[in-house]
Amino acid sequence: DTGVSQNPRHKITKRGQNVTFRCDPISEHNRLYWYRQTLGQGPEFLTYFQNEAQLEKSRLLSDRFSAERPKGSFSTLEIQRTEQGDSAMYLCASSLQSQPQHFGDGTRLSIL
Amino acid sequence: AQKVTQAQTEISVVEKEDVTLDCVYETRDTTYYLFWYKQPPSGELVFLIRRNSFDEQNEISGRYSWNFQKSTSSFNFTITASQVVDSAVYFCALSEEGGSQGNLIFGKGTKLSVKP
Repeated sequence: DTGVSQNPRHKITKRGQNVTFRCDPISEHNRLYWYRQTLGQGPEFLTYFQNEAQLEKSRLLSDRFSAERPKGSFSTLEIQRTEQGDSAMYLCASSLQSQPQHFGDGTRLSIL
Repeated sequence: AQKVTQAQTEISVVEKEDVTLDCVYETRDTTYYLFWYKQPPSGELVFLIRRNSFDEQNEISGRYSWNFQKSTSSFNFTITASQVVDSAVYFCALSEEGGSQGNLIFGKGTKLSVKP
């Protein structure tokens, strides 16, 4: 049983550019979550999918952020017109129904 | 409002010492879950335990034990005979599964350093 896989591990980009991250959940996990973690803080919830339906979005998820899970398997998180404050670790987690969430290694985003 | 407080920012112990990590939570729900996750320097959050709000029985798993007390809204984590490999940031988290979809509300974490 492979774990949650996230790509890339690290993304460096200039302010104003668009970035996209990918998350491959554990197979058969129907729930997929995105979190953001800044230095010295705990992860903060961004959004959640059950199968392909996006069921909940945090107010942290501004209009520049969009997430998809088109076939109920992998998910992408896109940030448009990146800003300095977007620098963080973006974590993906998956679970089977209401079972505990399992996290990936995260994608670290650095904005120059 | 839901909230998780980990008052200890950093703890440093010497190997073989016992250490307790504190966690206090706030919720209006009667049905909820509490979690502990470990985040080693590599970055991946590792699930350690989940307890539901109806089960106050303490749990022991090897050197790890957890004390859940609803009366004080606490869910503390004790490592017995700590080892260098226990060095990590530990997060306590709350999920109000009864009403929401189960997204986790994390505390700010406690960084544990175990020195040889």
